[in-house]
Amino acid sequence: DVKVTQSSRYLVKRTGEKVFLECVQDMDHENMFWYRQDPGLGLRLIYFSYDVKMKEKGDIPEGYSVSREKKERFSLILESASTNQTSMYLCASSSFRQQMNTEAFFGQGTRLTVV
Amino acid sequence: SQQGEEDPQALSIQEGENATMNCSYKTSINNLQWYRQNSGRGLVHLILIRSNEREKHSGRLRVTLDTSKKSSSLLITASRAADTASYFCAPIRGGGGNKLTFGTGTQLKVEL
Repeated sequence: DVKVTQSSRYLVKRTGEKVFLECVQDMDHENMFWYRQDPGLGLRLIYFSYDVKMKEKGDIPEGYSVSREKKERFSLILESASTNQTSMYLCASSSFRQQMNTEAFFGQGTRLTVV
Repeated sequence: SQQGEEDPQALSIQEGENATMNCSYKTSINNLQWYRQNSGRGLVHLILIRSNEREKHSGRLRVTLDTSKKSSSLLITASRAADTASYFCAPIRGGGGNKLTFGTGTQLKVEL
């Protein structure tokens, strides 16, 4: 019963390409998040969205943009991929109920290599 | 910053021993969550403790929360090799539209 699905497990792109990472959740969650994870740096929040068409910058938004046209889908866009964007990208979703943010569910991750 | 800071960064124990990891944070919170990450995978939610709770149990997991010290601890009792993973805490503020942020985690290694 997969709940958060990322479109690719592994991805190799060339420098300068426009890259789309897709994330879909089937739990009707309000919140969706994109992170990158690099050795020794933990998970760093890139962008998050708390509603359709709503987005807020995380801690490292530079070089990225996002799109949330439908509640179940949250896309991360690398406008012009660079080698320093080689990383593991993780998507997550969570709900907001009874004035509380509940547990988050994560996708399996996309390991992106930019060459 | 909302994120928690886990301590220690790394922990190595023998199977059967208990493992304790700590989390400190800076802002007031609504709840605090602990997650586990097996190598190369997404995070998995372990346990959520609300700000008005002091202790919570789930199987071999015991979580404590001290809001006056802005700290939490996760205890794994009778550890197993399968507990080898990275553990992260996530302090959650009240209200909607909140970031969910993590620190660098504690890398736990349980040896046979």
